[in-house]
Amino acid sequence: EAQVTQNPRYLITVTGKKLTVTCSQNMNHEYMSWYRQDPGLGLRQIYYSMNVEVTDKGDVPEGYKVSRKEKRNFPLILESPSPNQTSLYFCASSPQAWDTEAFFGQGTRLTVV
Amino acid sequence: ELKVEQNPLFLSMQEEKNYTIYCNYSTTSDRLYWYRQDPGKSLESLFVLLSNGAVKQEGRLMASLDTKARLSTLHITAAVHDLSATYFCAVDSTGNQFYFGTGTSLTVIP
Repeated sequence: EAQVTQNPRYLITVTGKKLTVTCSQNMNHEYMSWYRQDPGLGLRQIYYSMNVEVTDKGDVPEGYKVSRKEKRNFPLILESPSPNQTSLYFCASSPQAWDTEAFFGQGTRLTVV
Repeated sequence: ELKVEQNPLFLSMQEEKNYTIYCNYSTTSDRLYWYRQDPGKSLESLFVLLSNGAVKQEGRLMASLDTKARLSTLHITAAVHDLSATYFCAVDSTGNQFYFGTGTSLTVIP
């Protein structure tokens, strides 16, 4: 089954404790991206990747890191999480950046206390 | 920075009625995307509009794009309860970066 898989689905952590949210797709898509969803703000893009080893900042990259060492994986790293990073996070992939629909993962609800 | 505005933010409509959701964006783009999100779920793609005047229809939903007015509409015909969800439009500015609207929460009531 074609899918985007995120882990974990739920995470509660403490301020400053490094964490990684994994994202994997099995569709051989070139483009992958991370979003955060907050009430009243819609989805905001954090980082995106056009292909392996090619990543770039989205609209709200502060406090986040990403890497794209393999085509299928695009982990999101929070080196020192803070409470304002409490949010619902989505990973998405698509065959290319434009002209095509994106496929979203199931989301990761992160709470930083 | 590209801004995407949706109206209305909340919509409560009766079954069998028609309504339109509007999506305005602030910079030139020929590409616009509509997504649906059910409560507590992920997003799924509804439509990809790739040129001025593009119109796509799926069931009771029809989307259109006017790039000159920087406006897309999502028209709902004869609403049914199953259409209750949050609808997002999204625009890409350079083909790489995407901007989403704040979403329209639709509730269809009997």
